[in-house]
Amino acid sequence: QQPVQSPQAVILREGEDAVINCSSSKALYSVHWYRQKHGEAPVFLMILLKGGEQKGHDKISASFNEKKQQSSLYLTASQLSYSGTYFCGTEQVDSSYKLIFGSGTRLLVRP
Amino acid sequence: NAGVTQTPKFQVLKTGQSMTLQCAQDMNHEYMSWYRQDPGMGLRLIHYSVGAGITDQGEVPNGYNVSRSTTEDFPLRLLSAAPSQTSVYFCASSKTGPAYEQYFGPGTRLTVT
Repeated sequence: QQPVQSPQAVILREGEDAVINCSSSKALYSVHWYRQKHGEAPVFLMILLKGGEQKGHDKISASFNEKKQQSSLYLTASQLSYSGTYFCGTEQVDSSYKLIFGSGTRLLVRP
Repeated sequence: NAGVTQTPKFQVLKTGQSMTLQCAQDMNHEYMSWYRQDPGMGLRLIHYSVGAGITDQGEVPNGYNVSRSTTEDFPLRLLSAAPSQTSVYFCASSKTGPAYEQYFGPGTRLTVT
C-alpha cells in the first residue's frame, strides 16, 4: 500500500524551514527518504528502521514514529540546492522486500 | 565502480513490439529492483529480486517479465509494448534489501507510439 505524503508542494525562501510528512496505515519496517531533481535519478538521503529513531546530517533530519507509522523529514535553513521532489519509500512488515514510494512532495526554494 | 548502469538511455517503440531494458551493477548487491515513473508521478515498483534466480512481482508487474541469472544483471523485458508503458524506467540495487540504501541507475526513457 502506497504511503501518503504531505504537503504535495512547498515554496520556500532561502533560509526558511520545511517539514514533509509520510504516513502509512500498515506497520512499517523501514522508511526511506530520497530527493530527485528534474531529469535525474532519485538520490538517497536517509533511512530509518523500525525502532523509532531519528537521523540527520547537515541541516536535513528525519524522525520515525513507529506507533503512528509516520515519518517526517525536516529541512532546516533551506538552501537553493534543496529544490527538487522528495519521496518517501516504505517497507511494510507484512510485505517485506517491497519498497513502495509515495507520490512525492515538490519543494522549490527561492532566493 | 560504475555503480548501476542502464541501457539504452532512450528508446522509441511501436505498439506491439518487444524489447529488453538492461540493468547491471558492479557492487555485488544481492537486491535489485525495477521502477517506472510516469510524468509528474512517483516511483512504482514493477519487479524485484533478492538474489540470482529469485524474482517476485511488485505493484505493477503486468506486461513485464524479469529474470536474474547472475548477481550483476537484472534485465526487464516488455512483452508487447503499449502506449500506457510510456515512462521512465529506473533500476535500483542495494546490499540485501529495502533496509539498505537504494542506488538508482540513470534511467531509460521509453516512448511507445
